[in-house]
Amino acid sequence: DSGVTQTPKHLITATGQRVTLRCSPRSGDLSVYWYQQSLDQGLQFLIQYYNGEERAKGNILERFSAQQFPDLHSELNLSSLELGDSALYFCASSPLWGDYGYTFGSGTRLTVV
Amino acid sequence: DQQVKQNSPSLSVQEGRISILNCDYTNSMFDYFLWYKKYPAEGPTFLISISSIKDKNEDGRFTVFLNKSAKHLSLHIVPSQPGDSAVYFCAASENRDDKIIFGKGTRLHILP
Repeated sequence: DSGVTQTPKHLITATGQRVTLRCSPRSGDLSVYWYQQSLDQGLQFLIQYYNGEERAKGNILERFSAQQFPDLHSELNLSSLELGDSALYFCASSPLWGDYGYTFGSGTRLTVV
Repeated sequence: DQQVKQNSPSLSVQEGRISILNCDYTNSMFDYFLWYKKYPAEGPTFLISISSIKDKNEDGRFTVFLNKSAKHLSLHIVPSQPGDSAVYFCAASENRDDKIIFGKGTRLHILP
């Protein structure tokens, strides 16, 4: 157990729908990062939050949004889902902004049918 | 444009021998380099890192080498053990405050 909790582990949904992925960072970690891993692709950086504020944005689609709450947990919202959004979505946390102690959760596997 | 490239999707190595995983990068601003290891159904786990001011960093059986002029780094595992069978991701960042960019990974198979 890495200490980073992601729920749900698996999610199957239809095209056009909206889903929310949840991440609880390791205790004490202030930074949360979201990554997407599609088939044959590496981990694509989506977005980073630090202590509730957005710090960096990667190749995140406009249909996707995220937030970090006062208790530091984070949610990634995916809307108007397309087949191509099927992927593994990982959350990672670290104690400080930019610290290299990234700890990853075990991911949420999203399947869009 | 892929800034971190792992050109070998897979690699098979005999148990006890040396495993060498390679990685190339294109962004000359990258200052920190990392290797992560991933088992199925788990998230990536940090393995070892190296700063651009060094050309080698060693941690037990794992050594990372950095050749800045060639924009190339490699991970050496010696001796290779069955538990080393996993996907290895090379990653890089411009500085401590920047996001980490990952390669596509290399699947390492350690053969008995």
